[in-house]
Amino acid sequence: QLQLQESGPGLVKPSETLSLTCTVSGGSISSSGYYWGWIRQPPGKGLEWIGSIYYSGSMYYNPSLKSRVTISLDTPKNQFSLKLSSVIAADTAIYYCASEYSSSSEFDYWGQGILVTVSS
Amino acid sequence: EIVLTQSPGTLSLSPGERATLSCRASQSVSSNYVAWYQQKPGQAPRLLVYGASNRATGIPDRFSGSGSGTDFTLTISRLEPEDFAVYFCQQYGSSPRTFGQGTKVEIK
Repeated sequence: QLQLQESGPGLVKPSETLSLTCTVSGGSISSSGYYWGWIRQPPGKGLEWIGSIYYSGSMYYNPSLKSRVTISLDTPKNQFSLKLSSVIAADTAIYYCASEYSSSSEFDYWGQGILVTVSS
Repeated sequence: EIVLTQSPGTLSLSPGERATLSCRASQSVSSNYVAWYQQKPGQAPRLLVYGASNRATGIPDRFSGSGSGTDFTLTISRLEPEDFAVYFCQQYGSSPRTFGQGTKVEIK
């Protein structure tokens, strides 16, 4: 069974870049067919998909965030990461990493989430 | 982008009662690729149902999903104390993946 764990700073200043890492255990991020995604949830609100990366490295993003998002893989460390540039207060949210077992798949395993606050 | 609208916003029921949650899509969801998740305070969402009607591993059979096209339903046949939570639907038939705004099932 996969386990995912987010890590990174809990506080980011406006206009700076938010950087988070998701460490995967119980399986390899190089597993054929698997996608690795990021979802966020502003406090007390709903869920928003940010983007996903395929095990081969190809990516697809939510158009609403595409211009500011980069998702990448670190295969030797069995990790994948999220960078969100030029953050504003509205980017304050709990950020979750999750797995999808194919290109048309639900999110089957989730990390516990990390709260990132954008504030000076 | 497919917009998912969940109703009702809040459902007030007693343990043992039946819960019926609705998720309506703004356009037809390809291959009925709809999932349902349960979220409790301070926890990540947990997958309950995928492909509109398939229970995820380890999910009790009191949870069932149904529907097709634009209308989907999650039914909890008899509410247990641990079922009081927020439930989200999600479509993954097209990009971007989108979620409904959630239905809160609270104790009456």
